[in-house]
Amino acid sequence: AQKITQTQPGMFVQEKEAVTLDCTYDTSDQSYGLFWYKQPSSGEMIFLIYQGSYDEQNATEGRYSLNFQKARKSANLVISASQLGDSAMYFCAISFGRGGYNKLIFGAGTRLAVHP
Amino acid sequence: DGGITQSPKYLFRKEGQNVTLSCEQNLNHDAMYWYRQDPGQGLRLIYYSQIVNDFQKGDIAEGYSVSREKKESFPLTVTSAQKNPTAFYLCASSIWDGAVTDTQYFGPGTRLTVL
Repeated sequence: AQKITQTQPGMFVQEKEAVTLDCTYDTSDQSYGLFWYKQPSSGEMIFLIYQGSYDEQNATEGRYSLNFQKARKSANLVISASQLGDSAMYFCAISFGRGGYNKLIFGAGTRLAVHP
Repeated sequence: DGGITQSPKYLFRKEGQNVTLSCEQNLNHDAMYWYRQDPGQGLRLIYYSQIVNDFQKGDIAEGYSVSREKKESFPLTVTSAQKNPTAFYLCASSIWDGAVTDTQYFGPGTRLTVL
């Protein structure tokens, strides 16, 4: 069965520093997608970045980069130059095909606090 | 601006009542989804729909019902059969071309509380 594990329930970082949020996954599928979402206190899930299992280069989107290590089954999110507005819950998710649709499985999340 | 809207933002229900949560998108996405989030947890899939007039059960469909009469709309009804409906409900949509990297975009959510 597919599973996402986020081992850090909470993290804190100093403003302007970089931070890495861990995500490991378990799947026997060869084709899958890995996603990161941000959920501020307002509740909305905001899409940040994704990586396909066949992509050889790590994905980057502005200050976000995804450190994809396929052999280790890890997909860590790196946020560079943290800002106060980055304080939120962060969810890692894996997408795989099942029965004609893409199923998205979420981890339990990591709460990030950015300190001034 | 394109996006997904959900209403109401907060909803209170008495036990034994059915309530309907609205979800509308103007992104021209084919697929739409409903998720439930409980405190301190990730999201779990309730129902999904890839095309109009078709929808499928997700992992926790018991006590919920949906309809998809229009491409833009995917309302969720929480029935009295749902034993523990107090939760945060999120609607999402995506294109549908069969790629595992089809990104799901989410609405702002509805917080349902049963009194």
